[in-house]
Amino acid sequence: SQQGEEDPQALSIQEGENATMNCSYKTSINNLQWYRQNSGRGLVHLILIRSNEREKHSGRLRVTLDTSKKSSSLLITASRAADTASYFCATADPYNQGGKLIFGQGTELSVKP
Amino acid sequence: ETGVTQTPRHLVMGMTNKKSLKCEQHLGHNAMYWYKQSAKKPLELMFVYNFKEQTENNSVPSRFSPECPNSSHLFLHLHTLQPEDSALYLCASSQQTSGKNNEQFFGPGTRLTVL
Repeated sequence: SQQGEEDPQALSIQEGENATMNCSYKTSINNLQWYRQNSGRGLVHLILIRSNEREKHSGRLRVTLDTSKKSSSLLITASRAADTASYFCATADPYNQGGKLIFGQGTELSVKP
Repeated sequence: ETGVTQTPRHLVMGMTNKKSLKCEQHLGHNAMYWYKQSAKKPLELMFVYNFKEQTENNSVPSRFSPECPNSSHLFLHLHTLQPEDSALYLCASSQQTSGKNNEQFFGPGTRLTVL
């Protein structure tokens, strides 16, 4: 079964508003990562939060992790049109030494100018 | 620029053709990955190489054949593909495959169309 599932699948907001995306997962994790993908391009790593961390910031990004609920959220503050992209969460199984990251289906964010 | 390059960026091939995708990373990483991204589907891991050794084959059909001659280069050889193999093929690398610092750096992808 799929490990990471993002919610919502699509989100449309106005420039300047905040965007919140959620990710739920099923098994224990070593860390959880968020990636961004512009249309038809490769993924770009945004932020990694370890299983013993609860919150992490990077510029306009804020990530939270609740291991008791097996969920994470990505908040983008003061959004810009250039933030339009798909956002994916990915989880790493602590018992898998083979490097397998499991990605969710992603949230498509559209920021209108 | 993420330090991972892929060629070609676009590829159209017939079902009887043989072609290869190339990936190169300039980050000094030890692990490299192939992913397949189809429309409306999650990213699918295909292969993982760690220090040139294949550590994961995610039940990929034999018409996809990976090759990793060294830690900086990764190839995906394609032969007798099917139209359903049309997708964006992404290469990625990471410093290590396990542990707490396994964030992956992706190339721009090869958009493959099989006619």
